[in-house]
Amino acid sequence: QITLKESGPTLVKPTQTLTLTCTFSGFSLSTSGVGVGWVRQPPGKALEWLAFIYWDDDERYSPSLRSRLTITKDTPKNQVVLTMTNMDPVDMATYYCVRRLNWGSIDYWGQGTLVTVSS
Amino acid sequence: QPVLTQPPSASASLGASVTLTCTLSSGYSNSKVDWFQQRPRMGPRFLMRVGTGDIVGSKGEGIPDRFSVLGSGLNRYLTINNIQEEDEGDYHCGADHGTGINFVWVFGGGTKLTVL
Repeated sequence: QITLKESGPTLVKPTQTLTLTCTFSGFSLSTSGVGVGWVRQPPGKALEWLAFIYWDDDERYSPSLRSRLTITKDTPKNQVVLTMTNMDPVDMATYYCVRRLNWGSIDYWGQGTLVTVSS
Repeated sequence: QPVLTQPPSASASLGASVTLTCTLSSGYSNSKVDWFQQRPRMGPRFLMRVGTGDIVGSKGEGIPDRFSVLGSGLNRYLTINNIQEEDEGDYHCGADHGTGINFVWVFGGGTKLTVL
């Protein structure tokens, strides 16, 4: 059974850095073709892709957010970490951890974690 | 990069059928699109991928046969037959494009399906 679960702060202040952790099970980031990433969804709005990291350490970022994002992996711990710098109230959203397989579909999603940005 | 356009809302009666549309921007008629279902207050789940014809690969885990897809031209369709109350929610389409530093993954705006 494949599961992904997001963890991190529910509230951050403007200008702070957000750090989110995805802990997954049922697959390994050491397997060829496997990628894990992040997608966010502001309340009542559309989904927005943020980043992927792959089994071979390849990283991909949303062009509009590239300068603020870093994605890393800890393969033995089955974890992926996303950091987003200089948080702003417009970054308030539910952040989802996702799996992507063999450069294909996003086939599994976590339950999401709501992050509020407020002073 | 492609732009995916979805009607903001759709409705269908219990037991009826509905077809949702995701339209790719011009020049992307060969793109594959993923469909996702998001029930109220839940995270999205993968339904299936569609290209220029039928489904690409396999359906997501536990997706019933009532769900099917078709691709034609710039349109990617998701059809739900014998609609159930549990089908109410938002339906999103998404697609990847490019390689290397030019890679992007884009989503449509989503369609809210109401079951009457």
